[in-house]
Amino acid sequence: GQSLEQPSEVTAVEGAIVQINCTYQTSGFYGLSWYQQHDGGAPTFLSYNALDGLEETGRFSSFLSRSDSYGYLLLQELQMKDSASYFCAVYSGGYQKVTFGTGTKLQVIP
Amino acid sequence: DAGVTQSPTHLIKTRGQQVTLRCSPKSGHDTVSWYQQALGQGPQFIFQYYEEEERQRGNFPDRFSGHQFPNYSSELNVNALLLGDSALYLCASSSTGEGQFFGPGTRLTVL
Repeated sequence: GQSLEQPSEVTAVEGAIVQINCTYQTSGFYGLSWYQQHDGGAPTFLSYNALDGLEETGRFSSFLSRSDSYGYLLLQELQMKDSASYFCAVYSGGYQKVTFGTGTKLQVIP
Repeated sequence: DAGVTQSPTHLIKTRGQQVTLRCSPKSGHDTVSWYQQALGQGPQFIFQYYEEEERQRGNFPDRFSGHQFPNYSSELNVNALLLGDSALYLCASSSTGEGQFFGPGTRLTVL
């Protein structure tokens, strides 16, 4: 089966940089996604990494190492509105089944 | 582009009843996946539809069934509702090789 591990909570200061790590165990790995979810809302797609390396989109960057079964989400210039839960999700299998981690609750403080 | 849309937004049912939730995928997407998200947890995969057929299924009982129409829209049906079925039901659409985009979800409450 699939399993993912990510920290349950992270606290960071406004304007700072924070990294949220995700390690996974799966067979038939295709790619790793990150999603942001505010309380009461739906997950919002942030990134999708299928190949090793760093993908940058504005203040957010996502990294993948397939050989280490590891990825991270990097948030720069943190803003209060970044306070939310962040989920890593693994795509695996012939039809790219998606398995979500348990989520990391990020709290940005002034 | 309206993105992924779902209806209804909220729904209240009683135990034993049946419910149908609807989803329209993002333009250009041909694959629809359904997820159940309980409070404080990550989304759990229910099943995925492609070319009007269920091609993957998670660990959910047969009470959960679905359908995809020729225009790629989809329905999720849940029969014999239990209290534990209360959750946010999310639809996500995608096309091959891309990430999944989620709709706003349907909040189902079973009393």
